[in-house]
Amino acid sequence: NAGVTQTPKFQVLKTGQSMTLQCAQDMNHNSMYWYRQDPGMGLRLIYYSASEGTTDKGEVPNGYNVSRLNKREFSLRLESAAPSQTSVYFCASSEANGGPYEQYFGPGTRLTVT
Amino acid sequence: KQEVTQIPAALSVPEGENLVLNCSFTDSAIYNLQWFRQDPGKGLTSLLLIQSSQREQTSGRLNASLDKSSGRSTLYIAASQPGDSATYLCAFNDYKLSFGAGTTVTVRA
Repeated sequence: NAGVTQTPKFQVLKTGQSMTLQCAQDMNHNSMYWYRQDPGMGLRLIYYSASEGTTDKGEVPNGYNVSRLNKREFSLRLESAAPSQTSVYFCASSEANGGPYEQYFGPGTRLTVT
Repeated sequence: KQEVTQIPAALSVPEGENLVLNCSFTDSAIYNLQWFRQDPGKGLTSLLLIQSSQREQTSGRLNASLDKSSGRSTLYIAASQPGDSATYLCAFNDYKLSFGAGTTVTVRA
């Protein structure tokens, strides 16, 4: 039981390049989330998916797109990376039916955009 | 928008001392409150989740309380050890998480 896994662990991009961050969970959870963590700003929600087939914007969605590929997988895409997207990205999942919605996090992807 | 505040930002204690970490929130119509631990360069580990109908949760040396009327949650760590050194984050959990900035704890041997 691996919990929540993320790939890659580290990535360096040049401004304007694109990439997709992958996330998978093996806990049969309905809901999945993407957060970013920045010094001084804390963790902020980018996008979330309440269930397979649905996605919604969080607090900071600009510059990102997401895909809920199936119940296990939720990807985050940067179409044209900018230095402001340098951050640590975390994926999380939770069981959504009736609460209490405890979230479990992956190890993170450390992204640098130059 | 729910605002979550953690004070102090950093704390240093000698080994064996009890730790008291504070978390305050602005909206008393709280759903759940979740506490996490984060080690440097690592992900978040869920420590405790207190549901809105509960007043406290306990796991080993950890105890978390929730007082909705005052907008506060407190995490107690008994008999601290150097291995407890980490950043502790609280998050308001209404299905989505709103995080505080965290308290970085150093336990001196």
